[in-house]
Amino acid sequence: GEDVEQSLFLSVREGDSSVINCTYTDSSSTYLYWYKQEPGAGLQLLTYIFSNMDMKQDQRLTVLLNKKDKHLSLRIADTQTGDSAIYFCAENPTGRRALTFGSGTRLQVQP
Amino acid sequence: DADVTQTPRNRITKTGKRIMLECSQTKGHDRMYWYRQDPGLGLRLIYYSFDVKDINKGEISDGYSVSRQAQAKFSLSLESAIPNQTALYFCATSAPDAQETQYFGPGTRLLVL
Repeated sequence: GEDVEQSLFLSVREGDSSVINCTYTDSSSTYLYWYKQEPGAGLQLLTYIFSNMDMKQDQRLTVLLNKKDKHLSLRIADTQTGDSAIYFCAENPTGRRALTFGSGTRLQVQP
Repeated sequence: DADVTQTPRNRITKTGKRIMLECSQTKGHDRMYWYRQDPGLGLRLIYYSFDVKDINKGEISDGYSVSRQAQAKFSLSLESAIPNQTALYFCATSAPDAQETQYFGPGTRLLVL
């Protein structure tokens, strides 16, 4: 995942907002994704954004995309203990037949 | 029932042994993938297959081989296991839709002694 970078850890209190950041390198990616991995489980797609969009909102989730800076963020409003997980950013660079994942950000939600 | 299953879920083996990890899917997808996950490194692609006759190396294929026995089955083999292959291994499938959503199995935790 060297092409996609994320911070490794984020701790928030229950009820606060969480913001997880990601930087990517390939501006040709058509889609950018956020996957969630709960303890002992595989990854599940949380949300994605098309590269011609700046923002996407889905209930408590807001995705912001800054193509100029190649920066993607995921905001979780009213964070709950059930949101505790590892969150992976991913891109699908043109010409590559598989996704490139970041190293994952572990979100810890304190009661 | 889970759409993507992996067996075994946990495996301990010794250096030099040959082992096989199996993946089955009921989603009807042509595309299948094998990844390994290591702490702090995220997921790295080992092999992928876009149909039964299509097998491709990923970024870290050395020491691994795969077999696509059918559309629904994709196996990963470690020919001669070594300790630095200790990791969590995930199988995934994807649909040929525009956003290429990937669906992951629950993972196989492998320890090579």
